[in-house]
Amino acid sequence: KQEVTQIPAALSVPEGENLVLNCSFTDSAIYNLQWFRQDPGKGLTSLLLIQSSQREQTSGRLNASLDKSSGRSTLYIAASQPGDSATYLCAVVMDSSYKLIFGSGTRLLVRP
Amino acid sequence: GAVVSQHPSRVICKSGTSVKIECRSLDFQATTMFWYRQFPKQSLMLMATSNEGSKATYEQGVEKDKFLINHASLTLSTLTVTSAHPEDSSFYICSASSVYSTDTQYFGPGTRLTVL
Repeated sequence: KQEVTQIPAALSVPEGENLVLNCSFTDSAIYNLQWFRQDPGKGLTSLLLIQSSQREQTSGRLNASLDKSSGRSTLYIAASQPGDSATYLCAVVMDSSYKLIFGSGTRLLVRP
Repeated sequence: GAVVSQHPSRVICKSGTSVKIECRSLDFQATTMFWYRQFPKQSLMLMATSNEGSKATYEQGVEKDKFLINHASLTLSTLTVTSAHPEDSSFYICSASSVYSTDTQYFGPGTRLTVL
């Protein structure tokens, strides 16, 4: 059974810092991996999707990497801003059913 | 584009009543919709997958008679929590994917259910 773990559970940094969020999964036979952002009491916003054949994806200040063999992904946020404060969730898809298996998230606070 | 709405955003009901939550894709046809629940400070757990015109597929441990899912059209799916109890209080989120982008799910804003 696939298990997705995110470390750390919570992170507080001063504005301007570069930071890395970690995601690990137990079954490396994934279809794709996705990173989402969730603001308090709200739905999810998709940030990046990495197909199983890819190693990284970039969008603006965000860069996500994928190492399938070791079961790891990282989300790198450059020059963090207070507006980046949210919970970041990673999720894996195992097959063409496209069911998402979520990690427990990292709650990020960027202090002005 | 690719907007998903949910209604209501918040609902408070008495124990024993049934509550219906709607999930709509506003600007695309959603061949597949997913329903998740999220407890405070926890992650999303998939409850069921529904395809338009067919019965929903429920995840292990989810009672299909308690959580009725209907996907009657390509833009609407409903989740009905029957005979709600306080332990059903949670944040329910739907997502939808289209035939043109099957690996991308667009999420609704969620519905906060509180059962007294």
